[in-house]
Amino acid sequence: GEDVEQSLFLSVREGDSSVINCTYTDSSSTYLYWYKQEPGAGLQLLTYIFSNMDMKQDQRLTVLLNKKDKHLSLRIADTQTGDSAIYFCAESNTGGFKTIFGAGTRLFVKA
Amino acid sequence: DVKVTQSSRYLVKRTGEKVFLECVQDMDHENMFWYRQDPGLGLRLIYFSYDVKMKEKGDIPEGYSVSREKKERFSLILESASTNQTSMYLCASSRRDRSYNEQFFGPGTRLTVL
Repeated sequence: GEDVEQSLFLSVREGDSSVINCTYTDSSSTYLYWYKQEPGAGLQLLTYIFSNMDMKQDQRLTVLLNKKDKHLSLRIADTQTGDSAIYFCAESNTGGFKTIFGAGTRLFVKA
Repeated sequence: DVKVTQSSRYLVKRTGEKVFLECVQDMDHENMFWYRQDPGLGLRLIYFSYDVKMKEKGDIPEGYSVSREKKERFSLILESASTNQTSMYLCASSRRDRSYNEQFFGPGTRLTVL
């Protein structure tokens, strides 16, 4: 079945760039997402990318998609302590009800 | 400000009790979802609903049931709580008319079954 995999932990220093990686198995995935979960809160959509794009930039966030390798990454430039959270990679099909989530990557930002 | 609210942030129940988790959204969304979140496993879909009185099983429906009598409210029921149902439960909602499925999440209910 469909699967989304990501590493569980990442630690960076404040001011450095963070890169969170994700791989997925469903070649029919149409949309890929990055959600952020701050302590004590639910998930919030950070950004998404349509499968016919290979890059999307939004302020400090850059999403790269390699459809051939089914690899998605999220780069956070100038990482701040407020970026400490769990980041979930997810995928869905067009108009589909179901979104498949990865296990989440916990980002630690050291001052 | 759009909102998904869940009835409790923390809940402690005993094995065998019937447990109700309530979720309400104020965005007039058609789709609603219940997930459980466990460390290292991420989010796993329990049930979802795409309309009032409609429900579909997710990946792990065993031991759970749901009810959607009104569009804004989606309830998760644990018929007889067991210790392996100790978890964080997240409710979410989304619009049906979008090609991409942005889900809006509540803050979660941390359930402990003793």
